[in-house]
Parts: sequence; structure tokens; C-alpha cells
Amino acid sequence: GQNIDQPTEMTATEGAIVQINCTYQTSGFNGLFWYQQHAGEAPTFLSYNVLDGLEEKGRFSSFLSRSKGYSYLLLKELQMKDSASYLCAPRDSNYQLIWGAGTKLIIKP
Amino acid sequence: DAMVIQNPRYQVTQFGKPVTLSCSQTLNHNVMYWYQQKSSQAPKLLFHYYDKDFNNEADTPDNFQSRRPNTSFCFLDIRSPGLGDAAMYLCATSRSAGTGGDIQYFGAGTRLSVL
Repeated sequence: GQNIDQPTEMTATEGAIVQINCTYQTSGFNGLFWYQQHAGEAPTFLSYNVLDGLEEKGRFSSFLSRSKGYSYLLLKELQMKDSASYLCAPRDSNYQLIWGAGTKLIIKP
Repeated sequence: DAMVIQNPRYQVTQFGKPVTLSCSQTLNHNVMYWYQQKSSQAPKLLFHYYDKDFNNEADTPDNFQSRRPNTSFCFLDIRSPGLGDAAMYLCATSRSAGTGGDIQYFGAGTRLSVL
């Protein structure tokens, strides 16, 4: 079967750095997406990885290792507005997104 | 601004009373998706349209139907809502069906309550 594993909840301090890990098992692989979802709102796109390595976009970076079925999202210089859920979504051989339940990130002052 | 718009934002219906949720897009994307998301759970794909080509997920209940009369609009019909259908319903669009780095853009969602 297809499976996504992310921590349910993480807590970090404003101004710090946090890494959200995601391991996945999918039938085939065609890239991996990270989305941010604030409570009661729709997911918004953060990053996309299809090759191994690190993709950097401002305060957010995302890493992929296809051989390990592993990705992480790195958030730097945390701000209170970063409090949200972060969803890992690899795409399978049918180009279907397989969604994780997300990691709820709580930022404390 | 090009966007995905869902109406209404909040919908209350009665048990067994049909309800329709709507989604429109100005992105001119070929693909439109409907997801169901319950609290603290992953979004669950119900179905998607590639242009007029309808694709139903195997485990989507028959109670859920969809219509896409044109490129811009897509509707989700719940024929006989049950208490278990209370959820956030998300509409998303993408330029194509997943080739390359096609991003899915989401509307703000409709939160459905069933009394």
C-alpha cells in the first residue's frame, strides 16, 4: 500500500529553525510536494522536489532522497505566522498526489 | 487575480437533504479536483476532471456526484448527506494531470455541516 509518515505535531520557538521529516512509500514516484495549511484554510503550495537534493526558496528549503523515500522541509527564522500544518504529498506512478495527514507546527514566542 | 473560488464558504444542510457546492476558476486550467478533508486528516481525493473526462476514485461513495459544465465551473453534489459527510470540501485546479511539476491550486474550501 501507499503510506506517508510525518510527525503529528511539533513545537518551535520564534526565530529558530525547524525540520519537518516525511517518509513515504508509494507505487512509483513522480516528485514530492510540500503544502502549508493554516487552520480552517486551504493548502497552499510551498515546494516541489523531483531530483535528490535541496531546493531553497527564501526561508523555506526542501530536501529529497528518493532511494530512502525521505524528504524534509526546513523552516528558518521562524515567525508566528508559520504556525500551520505542513503536508507532505508525493506523487505516484499515476501522477496522483498521496497526501499525508500533515504536521501541526506550533510556534511559541 | 487569477484564482479558484468556492461558494459558499460555509454550508449547513439537514440529514438527507441534497446539497450542491460550487467551484469556479479563472486560471484556465484543464484539471479540476474535489477533495474531502476532515479535521487533522489528509485531504481525500473524491474525483477529478481532465477537461470533460471524469475520473472517479474507487472508494468515493455513490452519494457524491460531480458536474463540470464548462472549463471554469465544477460542482459537487451530495445527494443524501449523512452526519459522516460533515467536512471541509476543497476544490483544486492544475494545468495538466500531473506531468512535470504541475502545482495544484486550491480554493478556500466549503465547510459543510450536517444537522
